[in-house]
Amino acid sequence: GAVVSQHPSWVICKSGTSVKIECRSLDFQATTMFWYRQFPKQSLMLMATSNEGSKATYEQGVEKDKFLINHASLTLSTLTVTSAHPEDSSFYICSARGQGGEQFFGPGTRLTVL
Amino acid sequence: DAKTTQPPSMDCAEGRAANLPCNHSTISGNEYVYWYRQIHSQGPQYIIHGLKNNETNEMASLIITEDRKSSTLILPHATLRDTAVYYCIVRVGGGNQGGKLIFGQGTELSVKP
Repeated sequence: GAVVSQHPSWVICKSGTSVKIECRSLDFQATTMFWYRQFPKQSLMLMATSNEGSKATYEQGVEKDKFLINHASLTLSTLTVTSAHPEDSSFYICSARGQGGEQFFGPGTRLTVL
Repeated sequence: DAKTTQPPSMDCAEGRAANLPCNHSTISGNEYVYWYRQIHSQGPQYIIHGLKNNETNEMASLIITEDRKSSTLILPHATLRDTAVYYCIVRVGGGNQGGKLIFGQGTELSVKP
């Protein structure tokens, strides 16, 4: 299957700082990218959907000013967790969808906020 | 909310077929059924998808009932590496090219030697 990468794979930061996570589709153009969050022993929760060059659409209950999403190109989307707090510690997973409709997931980024 | 319900856990003996059921009684006519699996601390891996016909690929088979209200994922010869959480997902909105994947709780499959 197609490859989606995320960077970094894990990050530890202090409370109040901002963290940026990158998601790249390596061998296909992603018309749409998705960001999910997963807490321990829980399922993936969709946070937002972004189309290249457009503003992201956030799911109910997800703060758009806290989780900034940029989808500037067909192969790159970024998620910035602003003013992170310990409750934001989670596993963040991106997903990229190509023009044919197939959707692939990245390996995830483990965020720990101290 | 997810439109699927799955048993929380299942066991399967190594080398035997694993049959994972999924109920999606409120599925709409143009909504596809997707299966992904997630091995601990990794991103979900695509397995298979279908609309109404049965599908087979190198990983698994997908059997969808005629009324489309349920489906079964079949791993023909389970190995220890198939131990994972398996998610059955109805792709909401947009057919097979649009929409979004909303995850339910999945089935934790344990393949035992």
